[in-house]
Amino acid sequence: KAGVTQTPRYLIKTRGQQVTLSCSPISGHRSVSWYQQTPGQGLQFLFEYFSETQRNKGNFPGRFSGRQFSNSRSEMNVSTLELGDSALYLCASSSGELLGELFFGEGSRLTVL
Amino acid sequence: AQTVTQSQPEMSVQEAETVTLSCTYDTSESDYYLFWYKQPPSRQMILVIRQEAYKQQNATENRFSVNFQKAAKSFSLKISDSQLGDAAMYFCAYRSANYGGSQGNLIFGKGTKLSVKP
Repeated sequence: KAGVTQTPRYLIKTRGQQVTLSCSPISGHRSVSWYQQTPGQGLQFLFEYFSETQRNKGNFPGRFSGRQFSNSRSEMNVSTLELGDSALYLCASSSGELLGELFFGEGSRLTVL
Repeated sequence: AQTVTQSQPEMSVQEAETVTLSCTYDTSESDYYLFWYKQPPSRQMILVIRQEAYKQQNATENRFSVNFQKAAKSFSLKISDSQLGDAAMYFCAYRSANYGGSQGNLIFGKGTKLSVKP
C-alpha cells in the first residue's frame, strides 16, 4: 500500500511569489491535514479537509489556503510569500474514523529567499 | 487554548537501556487523546503510541509504554531496551475529542531529540 506522497520535495521561491504544494493520501483515506514545521514554532496545524470540505483550520493568515479534490488528493497554496514561510510542510492522511491514525508524508521543504 | 510542553530538548541513552521522555499538557477538557510521534532524520513522522484520556490503563506497544497521569496532566514515554533505530525526534501531541470527528488537528510539543549511544 503506497504511503502519503508529497510533491515537490524541495523548492525555492522568492518573496512575493506564490507556491502550490500537493499531497496524495493513502488510498481509501478521506481526511488530509496540513502542518507547518519550523525550528522556532515547531509543528503547527494549518487545516484539515475531509471529503472535499474544510473541517478545521488553524491560526494562519488568509495567504494560506487549501483544497481537496474528489479523489482525496489535496493541495495547499501560499500566496505573497514571506521569508517566515520557509518551513517543512507536512501532509497527513487518515481514514476518517474516530481515532484514525495519522500517516505523514515526508514533507515539502520550502525556502523563501 | 490547549498547550503541550516537552521540557527536555535533548536526551541521550545507552543502547539496551531504558529512557523516559517527559510531556505535560494543559487543557480544560475532560475528553481528549494523547499521542507520541517519532520523526527520524528522514522526516517521515510515525505514530509510536496513543492514549485515550478516558482509559485509566496505560498504553503499551512492545518496547514503548506511557505513564499517563490525568490529574497531573502528564504523559511520559518510556522506551525499554533502546535500539539504535530509536534515535529520532519524539513529539508529544494532544487532540481534543470535541472536534466532531476531526482527526487532523493535533497540538504538538516542541519535541525531544533522542540520541542512542552504541
